[in-house]
Amino acid sequence: DTEVTQTPKHLVMGMTNKKSLKCEQHMGHRAMYWYKQKAKKPPELMFVYSYEKLSINESVPSRFSPECPNSSLLNLHLHALQPEDSALYLCASSQGQALQGHPWLGYTFGSGTRLTVV
Amino acid sequence: QQPVQSPQAVILREGEDAVINCSSSKALYSVHWYRQKHGEAPVFLMILLKGGEQKGHDKISASFNEKKQQSSLYLTASQLSYSGTYFCGTAMEYGNKLVFGAGTILRVKS
Repeated sequence: DTEVTQTPKHLVMGMTNKKSLKCEQHMGHRAMYWYKQKAKKPPELMFVYSYEKLSINESVPSRFSPECPNSSLLNLHLHALQPEDSALYLCASSQGQALQGHPWLGYTFGSGTRLTVV
Repeated sequence: QQPVQSPQAVILREGEDAVINCSSSKALYSVHWYRQKHGEAPVFLMILLKGGEQKGHDKISASFNEKKQQSSLYLTASQLSYSGTYFCGTAMEYGNKLVFGAGTILRVKS
């Protein structure tokens, strides 16, 4: 299995709702990521989990709450979002660190969850 | 620190070559290249680590000039399937913080 699976593919939520995005990989990758991508913009890093521990939080507002229950699963809990949070949320995973002389297969991205906040 | 990509967009005819550049004002540990087609996830093309190497597969290759902190992606004899947005991603240190450039839109016409 060489895929990252994200659910749901589309989500519409109100500003008072609580919802969660789910990401799953079975490639044995020990690093997992959440990125946010607005239309015609590059992916922006939100969170990095390394060996199931949060290692990077790019000053993301607390209305976004990540969780890594195990090495294969990554969740993003959403609460009290704003319309400007509408975007494509991409999950990715990777083997770990890239080192000279060792094959490294890059980040594998999921197809994303397209979130609309109304 | 977001890397700077150029050009912003390029249109080619099939069989033509293109070069996309990516530069940083900070010392880099690695440069990644990804291609994203409309409505799809980014797909990994290659990574270059500090050490100034050149990598390639098929007709797509890349170089990394460590002195200039600049990477270039070379697409030769372009095919329609090369169309998409190309992003470079840079990491300044050994770690997992990858920051993407603004992207280069490549369109190959028949």
